[in-house]
Amino acid sequence: GAVVSQHPSRVICKSGTSVKIECRSLDFQATTMFWYRQFPKQSLMLMATSNEGSKATYEQGVEKDKFLINHASLTLSTLTVTSAHPEDSSFYICSAPDNRATNEKLFFGSGTQLSVL
Amino acid sequence: AQSVTQPDIHITVSEGASLELRCNYSYGATPYLFWYVQSPGQGLQLLLKYFSGDTLVQGIKGFEAEFKRSQSSFNLRKPSVHWSDAAEYFCAVGARRGSTLGRLYFGRGTQLTVWP
Repeated sequence: GAVVSQHPSRVICKSGTSVKIECRSLDFQATTMFWYRQFPKQSLMLMATSNEGSKATYEQGVEKDKFLINHASLTLSTLTVTSAHPEDSSFYICSAPDNRATNEKLFFGSGTQLSVL
Repeated sequence: AQSVTQPDIHITVSEGASLELRCNYSYGATPYLFWYVQSPGQGLQLLLKYFSGDTLVQGIKGFEAEFKRSQSSFNLRKPSVHWSDAAEYFCAVGARRGSTLGRLYFGRGTQLTVWP
């Protein structure tokens, strides 16, 4: 079946560095992907909607310049956490809908645990 | 406004006992409802979803959920819990189609502990 691949699964970085997270749809084209963030013991909150070939749509309160999203192809969206700080440490997860079938399917990546020292 | 309420933060049951996790939603259109499970440090695994049709939905691992429109609820059930079911469970609601398909609103989760 359709799979969404997310890399890396875990990353530890120093404060001030930038981290790139990739989300790939492996056997379907995803014109839209979604990025969520999950703090420990909390729910998943939508950060932004990634749109192929156009700008991402950010949720209220999410800093566009901090969380750069690029959706350059129909199978790849990237989230770059720029100048990461300890408060950015979180679990980031992407999802992509497969619109090919009448009963649309939604697939999640396996998530990325970011730890900023 | 769209929202999902999971009233129970933490539930503890004995292995073999029945389970019901509650979920209530508020959504401006006919919803697409999901239950996901998450083990520590892991991603999300889809247990089941309701799109249309039969309001009693069967999922993986012996789980089922019932969509009750009048109560805006989508409670998850399992007749006999196994120790391996211990995890965090999330209810989510989203659009059924269109440009916002895939944009989900999640409840805060219910942590399930299973006693041997």
